[in-house]
Amino acid sequence: EVQLVESGGGLVQPGGSLRLSCAASGFTFSIYWMHWVRQAPGKGLVWVSRIIGDGSSTTSADAVRGRFTISRDNAKNMLYLQMNSLRVEDTAVYYCARDRDGGDGYNAWGQGTLVTVSS
Amino acid sequence: DIPMTQSPSTLSASVGDRVTITCRASQSISILLAWYQQKRGKPPKLLIYKASTLESGVPSRFSGSGSGTEFTLTIAGLQPDDFATYYCQQYKTYSSFGQGTKVEIK
Repeated sequence: EVQLVESGGGLVQPGGSLRLSCAASGFTFSIYWMHWVRQAPGKGLVWVSRIIGDGSSTTSADAVRGRFTISRDNAKNMLYLQMNSLRVEDTAVYYCARDRDGGDGYNAWGQGTLVTVSS
Repeated sequence: DIPMTQSPSTLSASVGDRVTITCRASQSISILLAWYQQKRGKPPKLLIYKASTLESGVPSRFSGSGSGTEFTLTIAGLQPDDFATYYCQQYKTYSSFGQGTKVEIK
């Protein structure tokens, strides 16, 4: 069974840092693009960042570029999101998600981890 | 970035109704579009990819159509389990989602 389990969320002050983790199991992690998607309370889905299977290429949304870094450890089947210089508007549930075979949408999602940025 | 616009934002319907949600892309995305269903407190669930291909296990009352810049999701015969929020997503250039359409009970 494919499973994605996020961790690392919590309360952080503006300007602070947090690292999110996503533990993957039930599939060959290293061959899939992986993504982070966030959802502010009561709002819609927003794509944050993506990373290719071997970790050699990453892309991030304009809103987080230069502050957030996506990475992965294929030996540990782990996906990460290092978040620096956090802002109040980064408050959201952060989901990790896996591409479908062929890259058509995301057919596996974690349950999400809540990040709250507040003083 | 390719902005995606969904309409309506909210849709009131009854069990058994046929409902249609529209998604428009700001530029052509071919058929590189997916639809998701999300229930409160849960992650999204993939329903349709490549604009019209049903994901495995998704009921056949869900269907998608369109190409280029205009797409639709249709639910033929709304069931109680279908009251949820639906999102479109383009994946031609990175990814972006529509703002969502909440299907609520009339």
